[in-house]
Amino acid sequence: GEDVEQSLFLSVREGDSSVINCTYTDSSSTYLYWYKQEPGAGLQLLTYIFSNMDMKQDQRLTVLLNKKDKHLSLRIADTQTGDSAIYFCASADTGKLIFGQGTTLQVKP
Amino acid sequence: NAGVTQTPKFQVLKTGQSMTLQCAQDMNHNSMYWYRQDPGMGLRLIYYSASEGTTDKGEVPNGYNVSRLNKREFSLRLESAAPSQTSVYFCASSAVRWGNWNTIYFGEGSWLTVV
Repeated sequence: GEDVEQSLFLSVREGDSSVINCTYTDSSSTYLYWYKQEPGAGLQLLTYIFSNMDMKQDQRLTVLLNKKDKHLSLRIADTQTGDSAIYFCASADTGKLIFGQGTTLQVKP
Repeated sequence: NAGVTQTPKFQVLKTGQSMTLQCAQDMNHNSMYWYRQDPGMGLRLIYYSASEGTTDKGEVPNGYNVSRLNKREFSLRLESAAPSQTSVYFCASSAVRWGNWNTIYFGEGSWLTVV
């Protein structure tokens, strides 16, 4: 079935850029999403990209999509301690979202 | 502005007990979902309801039942809880099932422990 894979952990220093990577298997995915989950909270939609786009920028966030390699990345510029959270990649497939395992981002001061 | 509301937020059950997780949304959304979140496994879809009166199995439906009571409410029932059902449960809703996925909203989560 469809699968979405992410690395589990990333640690960066405050002020650096963070890049979180994701791969997916379903070539028919129309939308790909990034969600943020802070401790004890639900999921907050950060951004999304339509499958016919290569890049989307939204303030400090840049999403890159390589459809040929089925690779999605989220770059956070000038990473802050408030960015520490779990980040989930998700692929929209025939009416439901398939989530990756989540990447825990640790931001060191 | 409530969005998606889940109750209870925390629950401890004994093996074999039953319970119902309640979910309500006030955004007039057609579709509602129940996910469970386990460490290192992301979110997995249990059941979903594309519209009032319909429900469908997701990726991990065994041990659960659902009811779409009306357009606002979608409940998840554990008939005979097992320790493997210890998890964080998220309810979500979206305006439409197909296409416009940027309108999906999640509740705050329900932490369930089965001992």
